[in-house]
Amino acid sequence: NAGVTQTPKFQVLKTGQSMTLQCAQDMNHNSMYWYRQDPGMGLRLIYYSASEGTTDKGEVPNGYNVSRLNKREFSLRLESAAPSQTSVYFCASSESGGPTYEQYFGPGTRLTVT
Amino acid sequence: RKEVEQDPGPFNVPEGATVAFNCTYSNSASQSFFWYRQDCRKEPKLLMSVYSSGNEDGRFTAQLNRASQYISLLIRDSKLSDSATYLCVVNPMNTGFQKLVFGTGTRLLVSP
Repeated sequence: NAGVTQTPKFQVLKTGQSMTLQCAQDMNHNSMYWYRQDPGMGLRLIYYSASEGTTDKGEVPNGYNVSRLNKREFSLRLESAAPSQTSVYFCASSESGGPTYEQYFGPGTRLTVT
Repeated sequence: RKEVEQDPGPFNVPEGATVAFNCTYSNSASQSFFWYRQDCRKEPKLLMSVYSSGNEDGRFTAQLNRASQYISLLIRDSKLSDSATYLCVVNPMNTGFQKLVFGTGTRLLVSP
């Protein structure tokens, strides 16, 4: 099993450009998440999907959109990139959203917006 | 006040030493607690869950003190491979869904 995969691994964008970060899991998990990690801030939840067909905002959703394409895939879109969106983005999944379920993380996408 | 606070370190210890990290959380209604480990430029991985009664996994012991709202992680007989950042993670569960809140991490450096 590959677990959680993310593409691309690295990306450089110019301000105003758009892009989609892809995430897929092969563990048949119901819940998926997008986080960003910035120095001194810890991981912060951008959006999550409790189950296929549902998505909800997390702590820092502004400037992002998501699509839960099917049970396996959860994409994050930046419509008009800004330098403040320079960060490392992690996708994660868990069997469900219950309190004890471990979240499994992908390897991350390092995004720089100039 | 941050929801989850940790000393960023770094904690520099020799191999074989015992080291302890503490973490405080602000939401007294928090439901579940975890320690994740993150190696440099890698993704976080679950190290252990933290239960009310405390739990141990080999050289690692986690404790929860609900009255004082802190969580601790004790590492005995430190190995070079323990060098990493340790993330304290809290699940407030006030929405009925697991939305984890991560601390900024405590960096551990184990030297020969």
